[in-house]
Amino acid sequence: AQSVTQLDSQVPVFEEAPVELRCNYSSSVSVYLFWYVQYPNQGLQLLLKYLSGSTLVESINGFEAEFNKSQTSFHLRKPSVHISDTAEYFCAVSARAGGYQKVTFGIGTKLQVIP
Amino acid sequence: DAGVTQSPTHLIKTRGQQVTLRCSPISGHKSVSWYQQVLGQGPQFIFQYYEKEERGRGNFPDRFSARQFPNYSSELNVNALLLGDSALYLCASSLVGQLYNEQFFGPGTRLTVL
Repeated sequence: AQSVTQLDSQVPVFEEAPVELRCNYSSSVSVYLFWYVQYPNQGLQLLLKYLSGSTLVESINGFEAEFNKSQTSFHLRKPSVHISDTAEYFCAVSARAGGYQKVTFGIGTKLQVIP
Repeated sequence: DAGVTQSPTHLIKTRGQQVTLRCSPISGHKSVSWYQQVLGQGPQFIFQYYEKEERGRGNFPDRFSARQFPNYSSELNVNALLLGDSALYLCASSLVGQLYNEQFFGPGTRLTVL
């Protein structure tokens, strides 16, 4: 079985301040890791993913996440947030279960950027 | 290019009724997955279909069923609706059947069961 824990349900942060959204996972097998973003009344959009190789992955809009196998974490960071980053962020893991890849999402973290 | 489309946008049903939700994947995508997102929670995996075959099933009762058509569109059916089935139902498509490939999500269908 696999699980994802997002430790913070809401994170308020002032504009241009740094932010870290935490994600921890558990799995008995190798996993692939994802961060998705959901803007109000929209579907989920892939922000970044870790499949293999470099443990630090970056998105085109300034977010980055680092895969830490020993701590089973995949925290999302941004050095300076904008108002437009206000959204809900979901961490997800994908691992093989019963012959297919199963995706498990965390409960989400609402990022509120304060002007 | 059109993204993943879902219909209807919103739906209101009463307990015991049946509902069918529809999804059209991005052109060229052969895999469709369905998720249930209850308010305040992350999406929960329901089904994955690839090349018209069921490739994965989450922990949902048999009241939930799905199918994929030759044009790769998909339907999710829920019978004997319960209040707890109220949720946003998301459809996602990807090029191939492996779920580590990027999934593209539709805007969802908001189902309310009264």
